Amino acid sequence: DQQVKQNSPSLSVQEGRISILNCDYTNSMFDYFLWYKKYPAEGPTFLISISSIKDKNEDGRFTVFLNKSAKHLSLHIVPSQPGDSAVYFCAAGSGGSYIPTFGRGTSLIVHP
Amino acid sequence: ETGVTQTPRHLVMGMTNKKSLKCEQHLGHNAMYWYKQSAKKPLELMFVYNFKEQTENNSVPSRFSPECPNSSHLFLHLHTLQPEDSALYLCASSQGQGVNTEAFFGQGTRLTVV
Repeated sequence: DQQVKQNSPSLSVQEGRISILNCDYTNSMFDYFLWYKKYPAEGPTFLISISSIKDKNEDGRFTVFLNKSAKHLSLHIVPSQPGDSAVYFCAAGSGGSYIPTFGRGTSLIVHP
Repeated sequence: ETGVTQTPRHLVMGMTNKKSLKCEQHLGHNAMYWYKQSAKKPLELMFVYNFKEQTENNSVPSRFSPECPNSSHLFLHLHTLQPEDSALYLCASSQGQGVNTEAFFGQGTRLTVV
C-alpha cells in the first residue's frame, strides 16, 4: 500500500508558465515532507522541504504548499525553465520513523 | 560533484555471479543508506547504517548483504541474484538520522541481472 502517492507520472509545461506537481499521503503520522529532483543518470538531489507546522515554504522559484486536512502537498515552480525538466520525487516522514517514504515520481518536461 | 560516489555506474551480472557495489561519501556524514529504484515503483529503502552500525534492514532478501567498514564507506554485496533484482541502486548519506536532515544521493549503479 502506497503511503505517498504521486498520481501523475508525467507533466508537460511551456517555458515561463507555472508547473504544479502534486503529492498525496495517507499516513497521518507524517510531519515532514521533502521534494527531490532527479536528472537521468544521476541520483536524486534535495530541492525543498516543509514541516507540518507550516503550510507554505518558498525558495526562489520553488514553493511547496501543504494542506494537512487533505493530506496533500504540491510543488509549484514559477517560472518554469527547460532545465527544470527532471523527475520529481515527493517524500514524507515522521519523527518516529526517520526514514522518508518516497512516491513514484513525476516526470516534468518544460518545453522551450 | 555530490560528495557521494558510487561505483560501478553500470553492472551486468549473471545469476550465479558474486559482485559488490561500492559507495563512498566525502561529506563527514554519520548515516548511510542503500535504496533501490525499480521502474514504475517508489524508491525503496533497503538498509540504514548509523555510525557504522546497521540500524535498519527493510526486509531485504539475504542475497543482498551490506557492509559498512567505516562511516565513509558502504558496500552492497550481491550473490545469486534474480532478474527481478535488476534496478538502479542508490546510496545516500546524511548528517544524522532524522528525516529533517536532507540526504545526499550518489549517481547510482544500474544493475542488470541476466
